[in-house]
Amino acid sequence: QVQLQQWGAGLLKPSETLSLTCAVYGGSFSGYYWSWIRQPPGKGLEWIGKINHSGSTYYNPSLKSRVTISVDTSKNQFSLRLTSVTAADTAVYYCARSASTGECNYWGQGTLVTVSS
Amino acid sequence: QSALTQPPSASGSPGQSVTISCTGTSSDVGGYNYVSWYQQHPGKAPNLMIYEVSKRPSGVPDRFSGSKSGNTASLTVSGLQAEDEADYYCGSYAGSNKVVFGGGTKLTVL
Repeated sequence: QVQLQQWGAGLLKPSETLSLTCAVYGGSFSGYYWSWIRQPPGKGLEWIGKINHSGSTYYNPSLKSRVTISVDTSKNQFSLRLTSVTAADTAVYYCARSASTGECNYWGQGTLVTVSS
Repeated sequence: QSALTQPPSASGSPGQSVTISCTGTSSDVGGYNYVSWYQQHPGKAPNLMIYEVSKRPSGVPDRFSGSKSGNTASLTVSGLQAEDEADYYCGSYAGSNKVVFGGGTKLTVL
């Protein structure tokens, strides 16, 4: 059974850098994409980006200038960095396993990140 | 890439069928047979219900079905049950290894 467990700081000040990590337990780490998705309070899902085991990354164009997704295959983990956060970045951030066709079939538990001065 | 368009709400009585639409463009929904649907209960992570337009993952009841015509995909829930009340999101492959989601539809079981 595949499980994703994520962690990271939940309260940031404007201009700081958001950092989250997701560990994958069970299943194969290669052969899939590993994604980050966020959901502002009361709003819909927004795709942030994804990475494969080789380190190839793909980002949402609207966030590309501030986002970095990295992978550590030795630990079956992948991470998200989002720089220069503002209140608009307040959201629940999810990590997920994705197929090449885009669907996310396993999700982390979500982490609420609040940006406030 | 712009978000896919979904109606904000939908409703139906127990036992009835309800269909939720998801409209995109020829660059996403219309261009690929890679539309997925997610169910999300309050405070929970989304759960994949449909992928590749009409395929169901193991464990998803066959009351849930998906289809697509042109730039619009649809999710139909037949034989509505109380536990189907949730938010539903569509997602689509959008080319160049990118993904776009819809704004979500709140399904109410009357």
